[in-house]
Amino acid sequence: DQQVKQNSPSLSVQEGRISILNCDYTNSMFDYFLWYKKYPAEGPTFLISISSIKDKNEDGRFTVFLNKSAKHLSLHIVPSQPGDSAVYFCAASGETDSWGKLQFGAGTQVVVTP
Amino acid sequence: KAGVTQTPRYLIKTRGQQVTLSCSPISGHRSVSWYQQTPGQGLQFLFEYFSETQRNKGNFPGRFSGRQFSNSRSEMNVSTLELGDSALYLCASSRSLAGGVTDTQYFGPGTRLTVL
Repeated sequence: DQQVKQNSPSLSVQEGRISILNCDYTNSMFDYFLWYKKYPAEGPTFLISISSIKDKNEDGRFTVFLNKSAKHLSLHIVPSQPGDSAVYFCAASGETDSWGKLQFGAGTQVVVTP
Repeated sequence: KAGVTQTPRYLIKTRGQQVTLSCSPISGHRSVSWYQQTPGQGLQFLFEYFSETQRNKGNFPGRFSGRQFSNSRSEMNVSTLELGDSALYLCASSRSLAGGVTDTQYFGPGTRLTVL
């Protein structure tokens, strides 16, 4: 049962433009959401997170938006850079008795072109 | 501050063998979680350890086990390896804040296990 969904397997964006990655979830118990970036043969690198008490969190070029009523979050990267080319995963936690457990989406491959 | 380290980085085993993977968390982090990443299933939670106790377990067979030591280092073991166990095994550490507040997990580079 996939509780976190990233419906776009890939995204191509020009350098300098905005990248928008989307994520939907089904479990209303989730209260903490994270975005990770992953290069091949490496572990995921934490990018940014948001608690369910907020609807926006910003860190440099990265902004995460949370719409609880729609059970939807998005990651905006502005401006996109070639080094941003990677797979991006959204993750969620906060279920009952979910110690140390993140539920991950399937990932979105981002390619930033010159 | 050093990040999460995992050893070995690459491992090749044959069916029926067993394997032990090691994870050293970030200094001060007491929680260690393990995940399996495969192309078909994505990132799947295996289990989590805190203060040498398994607090949570995912839906994996009993062949997958783990433990945590008093210095928070953790090991996971897979016995009677199957071809389908070929995957990238990732560990992540977090501070595990009091009161059950959700905390950010930081991942190691992973161990790539190939079962022949």
